[in-house]
Amino acid sequence: GGIITQTPKFLIGQEGQKLTLKCQQNFNHDTMYWYRQDSGKGLRLIYYSITENDLQKGDLSEGYDASREKKSSFSLTVTSAQKNEMAVFLCASSTTGYEQYFGPGTRLTVL
Amino acid sequence: GQQVQQSPASLVLQEGENAELQCNFSTSLNSMQWFYQRPGGSLVSLFYNPSGTKQSGRLTSTTVIKERRSSLHISSSQTTDSGTYLCAMGPTSGSWQLIFGSGTQLTVMP
Repeated sequence: GGIITQTPKFLIGQEGQKLTLKCQQNFNHDTMYWYRQDSGKGLRLIYYSITENDLQKGDLSEGYDASREKKSSFSLTVTSAQKNEMAVFLCASSTTGYEQYFGPGTRLTVL
Repeated sequence: GQQVQQSPASLVLQEGENAELQCNFSTSLNSMQWFYQRPGGSLVSLFYNPSGTKQSGRLTSTTVIKERRSSLHISSSQTTDSGTYLCAMGPTSGSWQLIFGSGTQLTVMP
């Protein structure tokens, strides 16, 4: 088995601020993902990475940057937080093309 | 684009009743997953089910690839089954992302 950890669990930011979310996995999976979940909506893909230093844009990449520093870690940066934004950011990992496993999430609130 | 339709959007049961949740996919699929999410919680993978039927305890998932649908059957529901059930299709060749449905909100009353 393995585990995915996300930090921080809660993130409160100011409008216009650059905010960074971190994800670590010990499954030894090749592929990692960042999804955004808004209340009442399904999950939407922001970025994914199929190997170290690889980045692929999802449907929701505008306003975000990502970095795959090593196989086990994948970071997401909100480049300019939007006022009153509230969402949950979920990190996931998988052996490429197979079942995805999710982390506990980071809850973002922008004041 | 690819779409995933889940039904029903919400469902209220008495403890002990059975539930049948449905997912329909707009395009052909190679695989799909069922997830469970508690309010404020993360996604727990219930089934990775490219095709056919899989069972785990009181849960049974059946995916029929050529009909582009999958179902999740919950037998003898319990109050602890309450939460949101999400299905997702993919990944498919050329895209590693999952396409999610909007979920079924299940409430099991004691």
